[in-house]
Amino acid sequence: GIQVEQSPPDLILQEGANSTLRCNFSDSVNNLQWFHQNPWGQLINLFYIPSGTKQNGRLSATTVATERYSLLYISSSQTTDSGVYFCAVKARKTSYDKVIFGPGTSLSVIP
Amino acid sequence: NAGVTQTPKFQVLKTGQSMTLQCAQDMNHEYMSWYRQDPGMGLRLIHYSVGAGITDQGEVPNGYNVSRSTTEDFPLRLLSAAPSQTSVYFCASSYLNPGTDTQYFGPGTRLTVL
Repeated sequence: GIQVEQSPPDLILQEGANSTLRCNFSDSVNNLQWFHQNPWGQLINLFYIPSGTKQNGRLSATTVATERYSLLYISSSQTTDSGVYFCAVKARKTSYDKVIFGPGTSLSVIP
Repeated sequence: NAGVTQTPKFQVLKTGQSMTLQCAQDMNHEYMSWYRQDPGMGLRLIHYSVGAGITDQGEVPNGYNVSRSTTEDFPLRLLSAAPSQTSVYFCASSYLNPGTDTQYFGPGTRLTVL
């Protein structure tokens, strides 16, 4: 099946710094989503981005489907950005209902 | 709307015991899924449902059963708990296919099997 990798696995930032998180996938995908899991465990959908670029406030995401990767940019990080960021994909060749998650990037933003 | 609710929040079982994790949503979503989250492995799909009466297996279905008698409820049953099932369990729902639509997640159930 499709493999999803995320880098870096862990990241510590000073408040106000910028960062880029990467998601690589091994096969063609129909779509890709980014999620944030806050320190209390709640999962929130950030972007649905099968291709192209989207922005939402300080966060933006770019997916280059032909090269099989996606990037999540966090600008001017805040302590509330801390948590784990997951990308999740649905491979073209798999059942249309199955979404595969990457292992996540754990982000800690310190004051 | 309450969104996606899960009960219990925490549970400790002994090996061999059975139990049911409850999941309910009030958004009239057709699609519901169960995931487990283990350290360093992200979320893995256990079972999913595309509507009342229809369920299918995900990546890691062994040791779990599901049923979907109503649109709102999607319980996950552990038949004979094993220490390998110690994990955090999340239920999710979406209006459309979760591959093309936003998934809404419940708060999770933290399960420990001794």
